[in-house]
Amino acid sequence: DGGITQSPKYLFRKEGQNVTLSCEQNLNHDAMYWYRQDPGQGLRLIYYSQIVNDFQKGDIAEGYSVSREKKESFPLTVTSAQKNPTAFYLCATGGGETQYFGPGTRLLVL
Amino acid sequence: GQNIDQPTEMTATEGAIVQINCTYQTSGFNGLFWYQQHAGEAPTFLSYNVLDGLEEKGRFSSFLSRSKGYSYLLLKELQMKDSASYLCDVMDSNYQLIWGAGTKLIIKP
Repeated sequence: DGGITQSPKYLFRKEGQNVTLSCEQNLNHDAMYWYRQDPGQGLRLIYYSQIVNDFQKGDIAEGYSVSREKKESFPLTVTSAQKNPTAFYLCATGGGETQYFGPGTRLLVL
Repeated sequence: GQNIDQPTEMTATEGAIVQINCTYQTSGFNGLFWYQQHAGEAPTFLSYNVLDGLEEKGRFSSFLSRSKGYSYLLLKELQMKDSASYLCDVMDSNYQLIWGAGTKLIIKP
């Protein structure tokens, strides 16, 4: 089946720890995106990538990093510099007129 | 600045009709999208409008007026499963997406 997978579904981070969220797609889409969603709020763009080996900062990139070594994969690292990481993280791919979302990862701080 | 405005919450009755409004101010316009998001889940695509007018898809319709910077999503024959948040977002002239905060729709029996 074609689609987008994100793992893990839930992730716990300790103080000072870096954690990496996985996003994989087999839709053959060039564009991939990472969003953060806080309770009762809309989506905020963290990073996006239009093509392999290239990515751009979104509106709230501080404390996050990404890589795009393969078309299928766009992992997001939440670094210790991100002081308020608790949120729902959504990965999406761009397919022309619409975006397709993965199931999301909920990150919680211990 | 760029912004999208939607009501925070709306309540409607099962079987009725509800209209969710969205107004936008963006740098250019390359289309407006509506998504449905159930609690704890990812958004799912509902509709895309780039020209003025009404687009109908079953029980859901979406309307756009570019001159007024206005769109609405119309849901007919409401069902309990329609209880969700509805997100409006606009693609600006740089093909960047500007997202609204979403409208939480509560359906009562």
